[in-house]
Parts: sequence; structure tokens; C-alpha cells
Amino acid sequence: KAGVTQTPRYLIKTRGQQVTLSCSPISGHRSVSWYQQTPGQGLQFLFEYFSETQRNKGNFPGRFSGRQFSNSRSEMNVSTLELGDSALYLCASSLDPGSTDTQYFGPGTRLTVL
Amino acid sequence: ILNVEQSPQSLHVQEGDSTNFTCSFPSSNFYALHWYRWETAKSPEALFVMTLNGDEKKKGRISATLNTKEGYSYLYIKGSQPEDSATYLCAEFNKFYFGSGTKLNVKP
Repeated sequence: KAGVTQTPRYLIKTRGQQVTLSCSPISGHRSVSWYQQTPGQGLQFLFEYFSETQRNKGNFPGRFSGRQFSNSRSEMNVSTLELGDSALYLCASSLDPGSTDTQYFGPGTRLTVL
Repeated sequence: ILNVEQSPQSLHVQEGDSTNFTCSFPSSNFYALHWYRWETAKSPEALFVMTLNGDEKKKGRISATLNTKEGYSYLYIKGSQPEDSATYLCAEFNKFYFGSGTKLNVKP
């Protein structure tokens, strides 16, 4: 069974631009969550999607948005990029939402904002 | 405890040593605690999902216990090996809070 895939793996953008990151969950998994890791910080939760609906949202500004498609693939978008958005963005999938299902992480997208 | 805290931040042990580290979390509205192992340049790997007070889970030489009443979980590694070197993260999934991790370095 293929794991969680994320594209692109690396991305360089400049301030003010916008970026879209993609996450394909494990086949059969319906829930996708997104996380940000910045240097010196732990993983911070961005949002969780299930059945094309956002179920939970972390404490991030509105520049961060996401969506989920009918095939469970998810995208997250960051508009008006700031230097502080440089981070590793991880997505994770699970069979169902909720806290008791094992989450499987993708390899991440490393975003650098210049 | 308002957030998830892990201690120690880092740990250096010799091959063969047994070690343990702590994850503290808010005990109110507890749903589940997850442990992950994160090696450099790889994805976090799920170790355990723990839900019940008194839970004990084991995977090879790694085991974990859970106390939801006092809000802590211990992760134990018996007979550490160099391949156990990684950052061990815990997370509580009521509010999706992750700890900052314990970085374990096992010297051969």
C-alpha cells in the first residue's frame, strides 16, 4: 500500500507570493490533517479535513487555507507569503477523523520564503 | 498543564542502556495520546495510540504507559540501540497539541 505522498517536496517562493501544497492520503483514508514545523518549534496543527469538510482548525491566520476533494486528496494554500512561513509542512492521513486513529505522515514539503 | 510538555529535551545514552522519557498533557477532556518516532529526513512514524487510563503498550523494545488522571505518559526503551536514535514526539489529539520532542542519541 502506497504511503502518504506530498508534492512538491521542496519549494522556494518570495514574499508576497502564494503557494499551494498537495497531499494524497493512503488509499482508503478519508481524513487528512496538516501541520507546520518551523525551526525551534514543535509541530503545530493547521487544519483537519474529512469528507471535504474542515473539522478542526489551528491557530493560524486566514492566509492559510485548505480544502479536500472527493477522492480525499487535500491541498493547502498560503497567500501573501511572509518570511516566517518558511517551514516544513507535513500532512497526515487516517482512516477516520477523531483522535484515536493512527495518523500516517507524509514526507513533507519544505517551503523556503525569500 | 495547558499544553503538551516533554522532558528531557535531549538524551545521550550508551548502546545497551535502558531509558525513558516523559510526556505531560492536560488531563481534562482527554481523548487520546499519540507517540511518534521521527528520524532525521524521514516522516514521523506512529508508535502508539493510547486512550485508557492505565494503558500499557509495547512494540519490540519500546513500551509506553498512560496516566490520564494525572496527565502523563512514559515511553521506555529497553536496551537502546544506535538505530533508536531519533526524536520522540507525543501529541494529545483533543486540541492537536504536539510536544517539542525528546531527542535521543544512542552511542555505539
